[in-house]
Amino acid sequence: KNQVEQSPQSLIILEGKNCTLQCNYTVSPFSNLRWYKQDTGRGPVSLTIMTFSENTKSNGRYTATLDADTKQSSLHITASQLSDSASYICVVITSSYNTDKLIFGTGTRLQVFP
Amino acid sequence: EAGVAQSPRYKIIEKRQSVAFWCNPISGHATLYWYQQILGQGPKLLIQFQNNGVVDDSQLPKDRFSAERLKGVDSTLKIQPAKLEDSAVYLCASSPRLSDEKLFFGSGTQLSVL
Repeated sequence: KNQVEQSPQSLIILEGKNCTLQCNYTVSPFSNLRWYKQDTGRGPVSLTIMTFSENTKSNGRYTATLDADTKQSSLHITASQLSDSASYICVVITSSYNTDKLIFGTGTRLQVFP
Repeated sequence: EAGVAQSPRYKIIEKRQSVAFWCNPISGHATLYWYQQILGQGPKLLIQFQNNGVVDDSQLPKDRFSAERLKGVDSTLKIQPAKLEDSAVYLCASSPRLSDEKLFFGSGTQLSVL
């Protein structure tokens, strides 16, 4: 069964600190993996997209890693800001018969306090 | 470019009433998705359109939910009759095709069923 699991479920950190969010998946066949940021009351916004051959990709203070062998990904946030408070969702794309499907994780809720 | 437009932004109804949501995808995007996101969970796919054809509606509760995408552009999602457990955010997303990495979400419609 295709599944995406994220940890921790929730996280509280102080402004300026770093944090790492984890994503483990059992999805086959694998097409790509994405991290989304979802602010409360808004739709998800893409942070990074990683294909099978990519190990690391950065987007400002966000750095995503992918280990296709162990089927694990992480999202590292550097020097957190109050505006980073949001849910972070890991999504794995699987492709078959010319149809793409998005398998969503349940997300990690991050709260950054001053 | 303009984003995915959804309306209404919020809707409150009583159980057994009917409700409809509207989505206008980004111009030129052939693929349109409707997702249901219950509080604290990741989005769950309800239906996926490719132009005006249905690609996947396996998780759509067809006894009460219906969706259409006439002319392959905008789309409506209807619930009739609504149940308490339908309270959720309904997200619309669009993409030219997933391999383009251009998948955008709307801000969603927050539905409360009382």
